[in-house]
Amino acid sequence: DIQMTQSPSSLSASVGDTITITCRASLTIYSFLSWFQCKPGKAPRLLIHSASRLPSGVASRFSATRSGTDFTFSITGLEAEDFAVYYCQQSYLSPPTFGGGTYVE
Amino acid sequence: QVQMEQSAAEVKRPGASVRVSCKTSGYTFAIFEVFWVRLAPGQGLESVGWVNPGNGHTKYAHKFEGRVTMTSDMSLRTVYMELTNLTSEDTAIYFCARGPESMTEFWGQGTPVSVSS
Repeated sequence: DIQMTQSPSSLSASVGDTITITCRASLTIYSFLSWFQCKPGKAPRLLIHSASRLPSGVASRFSATRSGTDFTFSITGLEAEDFAVYYCQQSYLSPPTFGGGTYVE
Repeated sequence: QVQMEQSAAEVKRPGASVRVSCKTSGYTFAIFEVFWVRLAPGQGLESVGWVNPGNGHTKYAHKFEGRVTMTSDMSLRTVYMELTNLTSEDTAIYFCARGPESMTEFWGQGTPVSVSS
């Protein structure tokens, strides 16, 4: 199985800040990496797929990059609605597996 | 538009089974896998597995093999996930999501399953 190591597990930020979350895969997953936002009582929301691509309708303050097996997710100009839990997910091997999550408070 | 409508909340006793349904619309049902993911209290997202409605193929996470069965009904455009021999650790919200697995953009609203004696 592919292990996804996500860090930090939590971070404290303020509106307007830029935050960064990282995810490291235990072996190469190429660009088969997505990022999701989770809020209580709602379904997970896809923010990034294919390591760096934004689905239609996702704000441009969300971005992500890949360097080998290291993946970085950023929010530039944090907004109040962005306080949530974020997860990375690899889909190179099936079924997909998730990182441990990052709580942005 | 694509919609994934899940069944209502369930309360089960330990050792029982639960079946959660996911009714789909707005796309060609046979083309995309439907994935199941759960979120337990205080835990992170966890994949349960997926089913391909077009050919019935399934893939389950190792943790659930032997306890989970995913099926589909083409006439109802509905996918089902059955989990047997429930324990308190299965208490979670179960979500269905439409594939492809590299881009699971469309999700159901979630079905809470509570396991308690």
